[in-house]
Amino acid sequence: EVQLLESGGGLVQPGGSLRLSCAASGFTFSNHAMSWVRQAPGKGLEWVSTISGSGGSTNYADSVKGRFTISRDNSKNTLFLQMNSLRAEDTAVYYCAKGGSSPGLLDYWGQGTLVTVSS
Amino acid sequence: DIQMTQSPSSLSASVGDRVTITCRASQGISNYLAWFQQKPGKAPKSLIYGASSLQSGVPSKFSGSGSGTDFTLTISSLQPEDFATYYCQEYNSYPLTFGGGTKVEIK
Repeated sequence: EVQLLESGGGLVQPGGSLRLSCAASGFTFSNHAMSWVRQAPGKGLEWVSTISGSGGSTNYADSVKGRFTISRDNSKNTLFLQMNSLRAEDTAVYYCAKGGSSPGLLDYWGQGTLVTVSS
Repeated sequence: DIQMTQSPSSLSASVGDRVTITCRASQGISNYLAWFQQKPGKAPKSLIYGASSLQSGVPSKFSGSGSGTDFTLTISSLQPEDFATYYCQEYNSYPLTFGGGTKVEIK
């Protein structure tokens, strides 16, 4: 059974940093791209970033490019999102999602972790 | 960037109704289209991929169709557990983009 468990969310001041983690199990982690998708309170879904199975290729939404960094540790089956220079508009539930037969095909999702950026 | 436009943004329907949601891409995406169901406070759940392929474990009352720019999600007979918000998503190219969502409510 595929399981994705996010952690690391919380309250942070504008301009601050936070690192999210996503622990994966139930599949061969290194064989699959992984993504982060966020959802602001009461809003729709917004793709944030995707990393290839090897970690050698990454893509970012323009809204986070230069501030967020996606990475992975295939030896620990863990996905990360380093978030710097946080803004109020980054406030959202952040989901990690597993890539399917295509990297952008998000076939399994974690339960999400809430990030609140506020002074 | 590809824009995904869903319609309607909300609808009211009764148990047993047939419901259709549409999604239009601003440019052709072949069949790189997925549909998700999201209930309040829960993560999205994958229903359909490749525009018309059912994810494992998803009941056959859900079906998808379309190719290129126009797509539909159909629920053949709405049940109480189907009241939720539905999103389409293209995965043809980066940035990945989602439709604005369709909230299906009880009439």
